[in-house]
Amino acid sequence: EVRLVESGGGLVQPGGSQRLSCVGSGLTVSSNYMYWVRRAPGKGLEWVSLIYSDGKSYYADSVKGRFTISRDNSKNTLYLQMNSLRAEDTAVYYCTRTPYWGQGTLVTVSS
Amino acid sequence: NFMLTQPHSVSESPEKTVTISCTGSSGSIANNYVQWYQQRPGSAPTTVIYEDKRRPSGVPDRFSGSIDSSSNSASLTISELKTEDEADYYCQSSDTSNLWVFGGGTKLTVL
Repeated sequence: EVRLVESGGGLVQPGGSQRLSCVGSGLTVSSNYMYWVRRAPGKGLEWVSLIYSDGKSYYADSVKGRFTISRDNSKNTLYLQMNSLRAEDTAVYYCTRTPYWGQGTLVTVSS
Repeated sequence: NFMLTQPHSVSESPEKTVTISCTGSSGSIANNYVQWYQQRPGSAPTTVIYEDKRRPSGVPDRFSGSIDSSSNSASLTISELKTEDEADYYCQSSDTSNLWVFGGGTKLTVL
């Protein structure tokens, strides 16, 4: 059975940082690709970042320069380092590779 | 920029059939696979259709996907509607850079 389990969310002040983790089981995080997708309150799904098996990474314009995607193959774990957080980054963040989704982790950016 | 357009909301009665459309803004929607995700309130998205018409294990065959090249659209059809089908549904495909694009989501009400 494939499982993706995110963690690391919480309350953070504007301008602060947070690192999200996504541990995979039954699936190799470093193969193919992995996405971070978020859903902000009252809004739809939005892709945030993508990493391919060769390490190439991509970012939505809304987070470019502030977020960094990475992975630790030995831990089968995907990460999202989020810096300079803004109120509009408040969302539930999911890691996903079709057709699998994690349960999500909530990031709230507020003072 | 490539966009996917979905109706904001649809409603239908239990036991009936509903179809949710997803129209591509340019190019040919048939050039990249379309996925459909279901998201119930307070829950993570789950994949109900991937690669245009494939169903993950555990998804009932009441859910089906199709592509209509003539209208540059994809459709999700749910037959024998149940109250548990009430959710937000999102289509997703890829742009010319192979990055994910989500539709705005459709709220399905089963009344």
